[in-house]
Amino acid sequence: DAGVIQSPRHEVTEMGQEVTLRCKPISGHDYLFWYRQTMMRGLELLIYFNNNVPIDDSGMPEDRFSAKMPNASFSTLKIQPSEPRDSAVYFCASSLLGFEQYFGPGTRLTVT
Amino acid sequence: QQQVKQSPQSLIVQKGGISIINCAYENTAFDYFPWYQQFPGKGPALLIAIRPDVSEKKEGRFTISFNKSAKQFSLHIMDSQPGDSATYFCAASGGNNDMRFGAGTRLTVKP
Repeated sequence: DAGVIQSPRHEVTEMGQEVTLRCKPISGHDYLFWYRQTMMRGLELLIYFNNNVPIDDSGMPEDRFSAKMPNASFSTLKIQPSEPRDSAVYFCASSLLGFEQYFGPGTRLTVT
Repeated sequence: QQQVKQSPQSLIVQKGGISIINCAYENTAFDYFPWYQQFPGKGPALLIAIRPDVSEKKEGRFTISFNKSAKQFSLHIMDSQPGDSATYFCAASGGNNDMRFGAGTRLTVKP
């Protein structure tokens, strides 16, 4: 298996623009997690899905952030409008049973 | 959101030495305690994990020690190698799959 796939790997955008991050989980995994990593706050869970259904979105910082999982092999994290403080590395992880999580390579987002 | 406290922030060890990283948690509902290894520019990779029904788990040079009564667990890296230089994260989760990560320890193994 190719592991968790994320795209793009790097994204540079201007403040106010819409940003869409993409994730393909490991085939057969029923759980998908979105994390954000910054120097100040470390690794934070934003939202997770089970069988394509959002289970816990309490970590989503504000209404500018939204996530969808239209099918078992694809998820998106959207930021609209983006702000400089959104600059971070965003990771997607997937899991078969929910606890043993496998991370993708991340998307480094820079908002200028 | 920080429910797992990790120390030290950084650690320098000589090649062949033992690296020890400690974590403490608060939530007694946590029942799964993994350690992740992260190299620069990469995602965290699952290294080893333990459940609270055992006090120790060993995989190669990596050992987790778990103290349920003290709510503490630690990672020991035996015979540390320069290739082990990375950032290590402890984590904890319970039945709701809400994984909480420690702040990370940057390990440097000097040749």
